[in-house]
Formats: sequence, structure tokens, C-alpha cells
Amino acid sequence: AQSVTQLDSQVPVFEEAPVELRCNYSSSVSVYLFWYVQYPNQGLQLLLKYLSGSTLVKGINGFEAEFNKSQTSFHLRKPSVHISDTAEYFCALKTSYDKVIFGPGTSLSVIP
Amino acid sequence: DVKVTQSSRYLVKRTGEKVFLECVQDMDHENMFWYRQDPGLGLRLIYFSYDVKMKEKGDIPEGYSVSREKKERFSLILESASTNQTSMYLCASSPGTGPRNTIYFGEGSWLTVV
Repeated sequence: AQSVTQLDSQVPVFEEAPVELRCNYSSSVSVYLFWYVQYPNQGLQLLLKYLSGSTLVKGINGFEAEFNKSQTSFHLRKPSVHISDTAEYFCALKTSYDKVIFGPGTSLSVIP
Repeated sequence: DVKVTQSSRYLVKRTGEKVFLECVQDMDHENMFWYRQDPGLGLRLIYFSYDVKMKEKGDIPEGYSVSREKKERFSLILESASTNQTSMYLCASSPGTGPRNTIYFGEGSWLTVV
């Protein structure tokens, strides 16, 4: 069975500081990995995705993530965060059967 | 832009009531989904549909049913609402099967059962 783990439920960070949100997954088959962001009182929006090819993936709003197959990780990073990045972030995986499994989410709070 | 519209953002219902949550997408997507979102649990799939009148159970279908009579509309039904169904419900759609198909989400429906 596949699963997604987000080790940090809450991450506070000062404005303009770098941030890393951690994601690990478990799967016996090939997976495709995603990061979604949910701003307060809104639905989820796709930040970036890894399907194949380069393991470093760039997304919207200055975010990037690196796929590491040996460590089964897909950590999300941003070199300098803004107040507007305060949101819930979800890591997710999809198998070839099209089922999407979401992690529990990480709440990012940017402190002015 | 793809638009997934959930007709009710906030609902308060009584225990035992029948509840309908409606979702409409405007991009002729094949697939539609209903998720439930709870703190610390992420999103859990309730039901999904690959085509009109077709439905598949997700991970937590108990206490729910769905209806897809038209391609653009996917309804979630709580036959007899219970307090443990108080949650945020998210509808989503995608163009087709396969990892390259992005899933688009609605803004969510907050349901409180009292």
C-alpha cells in the first residue's frame, strides 16, 4: 500500500527566511509526486509536480522540490518566504491507477 | 480557467437530516472526486466517478452516496447526517486518467452537523 508522510504538522518561519517542508512516501510501484497549497478558506491549488526526468522541479511562487528515490522523499523548499506564503501545504502521490493519496498536511506560518 | 464550483460554502444540518452537496465543473472533465478534509488527516477520498452514472468507492465511503447524472455535475449525499460527518468537503475534477492530468479543486463546503 502507498502512503505519504509529512513529518512536520506546523512550521513557523520568519519572513524572508528559507523554508523546507518535508515529505516522505512509501510505495512498491512507481509514483508521481505533487505538492498542493491551500490558502485560508480556499480549495487546493497545484504548486508543482514530478512525473519523470529531472529530479529538481520548479513550481509557482518560487517554490521548488527535489525527488530523491533512494530516500523516498520529495521535500519542498523556498529560499525566501513571504507573508503571503502562509497556508497549508499537502504532499501527494499518484500511482498509474490514478488514485491520489494525500499526506496530512503542513501548516506554514510566516512571521513578520 | 478551470472552474469547480461547490454551491454551498457553509452548511449547518441536524443529525438525521439528508444532506446534498453539489459540485459543478465547467471544463468537460471525465473524472470527478469527493474528498473529506480533517485536521491532521489530510484529504481522504470518499467517492469518485470516471463517467456519467459510474461511481467507485474511495477510502471512506461509509455513510455517503453519490450521483452523477450529467457529466458536469457530481453530488455527494449524506443519507442520514451524523455529528462525525462534520468536516470540510472538497470536490475535484480532472480531464482523464493518468498522472499528467492535473486535479482541480473547488473551494470546499464546510458542513456542521449538530
